[in-house]
Formats: sequence, C-alpha cells, structure tokens
Amino acid sequence: GAGVSQSPSNKVTEKGKDVELRCDPISGHTALYWYRQSLGQGLEFLIYFQGNSAPDKSGLPSDRFSAERTGGSVSTLTIQRTQQEDSAVYLCASSSGLIYEQYFGPGTRLTVT
Amino acid sequence: AQKITQTQPGMFVQEKEAVTLDCTYDTSDPSYGLFWYKQPSSGEMIFLIYQGSYDQQNATEGRYSLNFQKARKSANLVISASQLGDSAMYFCAMRVLSSNDYKLSFGAGTTVTVRA
Repeated sequence: GAGVSQSPSNKVTEKGKDVELRCDPISGHTALYWYRQSLGQGLEFLIYFQGNSAPDKSGLPSDRFSAERTGGSVSTLTIQRTQQEDSAVYLCASSSGLIYEQYFGPGTRLTVT
Repeated sequence: AQKITQTQPGMFVQEKEAVTLDCTYDTSDPSYGLFWYKQPSSGEMIFLIYQGSYDQQNATEGRYSLNFQKARKSANLVISASQLGDSAMYFCAMRVLSSNDYKLSFGAGTTVTVRA
C-alpha cells in the first residue's frame, strides 16, 4: 500500500511569512508524529497525534508552531512568521498504534531566506 | 529523559563485508524499545529493526541483526554482507514503553559508505 506522503517536498519562503506543511499518513494508522531534522543534526520530536488529539505539545519549539489533524488522517504543521532558524527538513511519521514502529514520509525541506 | 549515543560519525566498509554500528542508550525505565532506521541520500527514514527491552532473543531482519546487551545498555546494529545500496546514514532510536511518552529519541547518526 501507499506510504506516508508529505507535501510540498520543498518550500522556500521569506522570513516572516507563514507556511503550512502537510502529512498524509498510511491508511488506518491512528498515530501520527512530526519531527524536525536540521542540517547536521539528529531528529527532534515536535508533536504527536493519537487520532485527532495531541496530548503532548511540549516539543514544539515556540508558539509560532502549531499542528492539527482532522478526521484521524491528514495533518498540517503550521509555522507562523518564519525565521531562518526554522530552516530544516520536517518529517512526518505514522504508526498503527502508539507502541509500534513509526513509518516516515519523505519529508518537506523548508528553507527560510 | 532518554539519551542515545552514536559515537561513530562515519564508517567505510568493503562490499560483502560485515559492519557494526555502535549505539548506547541511557534510561531509567525498565520497559523500552530500541529501533534502527536507515536514511539514504533521498532523505526518507526507513525502519530496519526493533528490539524490546524484555525480548530474550536478539532481533534479526534479513541481513540486519541487533546485538542487544542490556546490562551494558548497548544496541549495536550489524549489517552482514554489505551492499553498495547500504550506503546511508543510520540512526539508533529509543522510546519508553511504560509511560505516555510516545516520541522516539534519536542518536546523532552514523554515515556508512560501502566501497566496491
């Protein structure tokens, strides 16, 4: 079946603009995760959803970051008033339950100029 | 908080040889899971193998095996019979299973280059 998909694959934006990143999980997967990978860095957890609920938002770097998930499927990560330090690859993952392995999408490479 | 350490930033291996990637972890929770992911230059993270803290046997998946030494808190990945397509970044990750903390904590990664 289809894997996790993310769009856009690349996004270049000017500092101060808002961006929306989309994640379409594997069909039937109830859990969805967002991570960020900065150049030369490991992966940083941002937020996860169980269904449409996000019990833990502590990983979001600032209040400029928000995420939502509707219908237990597609999720959107929104970054408001982007800054250069937001430049990174944003990875989405899904799993069939919170205890199972996570399957990742190809990521969205965000560049803030 | 969990911490994952991968001390090898980069490794070279000859095609058809085996390579071991080191991973140590630190947690006070007795129930946890250990994961290895492969990230080729295309950027996608590919799940390779999983080991639970209570699993009696070392996990194996094809050419991948996990050398789990619980007392030493290490979970090294062994890739046997290396292929050119194994060239990638490899990440060790962990999550605690006995709490509501569902995130994966990742190490810094090891870049593997397979030489023909």
